[in-house]
Amino acid sequence: TQLLEQSPQFLSIQEGENLTVYCNSSSVFSSLQWYRQEPGEGPVLLVTVVTGGEVKKLKRLTFQFGDARKDSSLHITAAQPGDTGLYLCAALNFAGNMLTFGGGTRLMVKP
Amino acid sequence: DTAVSQTPKYLVTQMGNDKSIKCEQNLGHDTMYWYKQDSKKFLKIMFSYNNKELIINETVPNRFSPKSPDKAHLNLHINSLELGDSAVYFCASSQRRPRGQGGEQYFGPGTRLTVT
Repeated sequence: TQLLEQSPQFLSIQEGENLTVYCNSSSVFSSLQWYRQEPGEGPVLLVTVVTGGEVKKLKRLTFQFGDARKDSSLHITAAQPGDTGLYLCAALNFAGNMLTFGGGTRLMVKP
Repeated sequence: DTAVSQTPKYLVTQMGNDKSIKCEQNLGHDTMYWYKQDSKKFLKIMFSYNNKELIINETVPNRFSPKSPDKAHLNLHINSLELGDSAVYFCASSQRRPRGQGGEQYFGPGTRLTVT
């Protein structure tokens, strides 16, 4: 059983559609990060959320941290083929020295 | 300029061999990491070094030995390679911050290790 559960694991949608990816845990974390990974490359940080209930927007991407700091969501509006990739959530422990990754969501946006 | 670099990019070797992967970061970070990403894309931490000192060792076989000659480098040596070691290995770095802040990690491009 993973500490962080991401859903869905796979998502294939048409260009222009909206989607939401979820990251859930039974544990409380110091902060939560979202990364995007493209084939043949390392993960790249998109955002960090720290405060319970926090909402951050990055162009068409909206990130939310749950009030209890146990869960997070990533919403993409009007998805584009360039959004295709592996989206990973990662939780930082309170010591600040360890990131635990979720299993990832593989997104494919078809033109 | 590459922030976190790894060499080699690809490594194909036979069972039983010993191999090393090198990592360098030019971000001035004080903490470096090694992760293993399996075929299902699950990313799992192996080691973490802060200022050249080992702070995390996540149930990794003794065949894996990290070495940090200085804050900017963290190398991974693997002895007696096994088929199950085949994976993509990522190096990462971060700057340790007060609790609840940041901790953002910067990843290298990965080293795809194939053991035959």
